[in-house]
Amino acid sequence: QVQLVESGGGVVQPGRSLRLSCAASGFTFINYGMHWVRQAPGKGLEWVAVMWYDGSHEYYGDSVKGRFTISRDNPNNTLYLQMNNLRVDDTAVYYCARGIDDPGAFDIWGQGTLVTISS
Amino acid sequence: SYVLTQPPSVSVAPGQTARVTCTGNNIGSKSVHWYLQKPGQAPVLVVYDDSDRPSGIPERLSGSNSGNTATLTISRVEAGDEADYYCQVWDNSSDHWLFGGGTKLTVL
Repeated sequence: QVQLVESGGGVVQPGRSLRLSCAASGFTFINYGMHWVRQAPGKGLEWVAVMWYDGSHEYYGDSVKGRFTISRDNPNNTLYLQMNNLRVDDTAVYYCARGIDDPGAFDIWGQGTLVTISS
Repeated sequence: SYVLTQPPSVSVAPGQTARVTCTGNNIGSKSVHWYLQKPGQAPVLVVYDDSDRPSGIPERLSGSNSGNTATLTISRVEAGDEADYYCQVWDNSSDHWLFGGGTKLTVL
């Protein structure tokens, strides 16, 4: 079935780096734009980044621009989020999501991976 | 930057109709998408492009969008509809996707 599975979350100190992965299965990965969305504890959803289906375009939310980098490995059906210079307010559950008819809705979501930034 | 505003909470009795609003400047010119999220779970798309439903979403959930307000309507509300509901748009001036703050639906 169509599925997204995130991994790579954990506890890291402020200023350090972390890379998240999102493994896709059950659909033709290269046909879809892919997004990262995060949710701080007890808070709402915040869009983080997108990479177009072919990797030709990438955009970032204002709070992560210059620190986070989205990338994808189409042959291996995997989406990544490289997070550098992490801050306490980056603490959140990070979801990957599939975009439909970009710039459209997100129809498939992973279960999320928790990132905790703490000294 | 573009802002989406939702009421923090909406309460409704079982069997009644709940309406969750999402306001934004001339939001009627944008495509609005709606998600529900239950505690500890990932969001689920329930309405896209203002009023279309993904397969598996019941007809009791419907969407509309005009002027400065988009609305998610849930008819014949059930206890299982209790969730947080989020609206979303794409802002073409910034190439950003934006979410509203979310509305907690409580079934009395």
